[in-house]
Amino acid sequence: GAGVSQSPRYKVAKRGQDVALRCDPISGHVSLFWYQQALGQGPEFLTYFQNEAQLDKSGLPSDRFFAERPEGSVSTLKIQRTQQEDSAVYLCASSTLAGYTGELFFGEGSRLTVL
Amino acid sequence: DAKTTQPPSMDCAEGRAANLPCNHSTISGNEYVYWYRQIHSQGPQYIIHGLKNNETNEMASLIITEDRKSSTLILPHATLRDTAVYYCIVNRDDKIIFGKGTRLHILP
Repeated sequence: GAGVSQSPRYKVAKRGQDVALRCDPISGHVSLFWYQQALGQGPEFLTYFQNEAQLDKSGLPSDRFFAERPEGSVSTLKIQRTQQEDSAVYLCASSTLAGYTGELFFGEGSRLTVL
Repeated sequence: DAKTTQPPSMDCAEGRAANLPCNHSTISGNEYVYWYRQIHSQGPQYIIHGLKNNETNEMASLIITEDRKSSTLILPHATLRDTAVYYCIVNRDDKIIFGKGTRLHILP
């Protein structure tokens, strides 16, 4: 389909392992967002890209979290030395508009479980 | 922190109108009201947004009070597929903050 695609859908990691989560936004969408959703909570903002530029990373919880979008399309969220508190669903969204306004199109998320 | 207040849960009978309230008493003049919903195991889905006037689309209607301090999302004929968490968000030029939303149960 033409929606936002995320992979893997499910990831189990041992504590201390590094993980990488991929997001394929809708083609041509300028803005890309990452959110973290813990069980029973609403999504929480992590970071925002406008094309290849990471304009806002204020929501990244620690320096173990790193995101990139080198060519302004696909994005990767990397978590180093995973901890149990990193267990969550990681959601990616894209938008046609620059900035924070407008409709966000979300993927189905990547569920990370850290043992 | 979220700028909105929503009831944690609501029930609605199938086929009836579901009216979901939202308080946003500190909304600024240029901030929009957005509604998203999240069905279990899926990402959030945009429903509708508005600034001052009431809005309607194929999914829902949004009624915003004249003082803009509260709004109501109306699903005119609720079905079981409308069971979801509904998020009310106010935003203009800042990151979208979801809050905890209202869990809507549609009763058969």
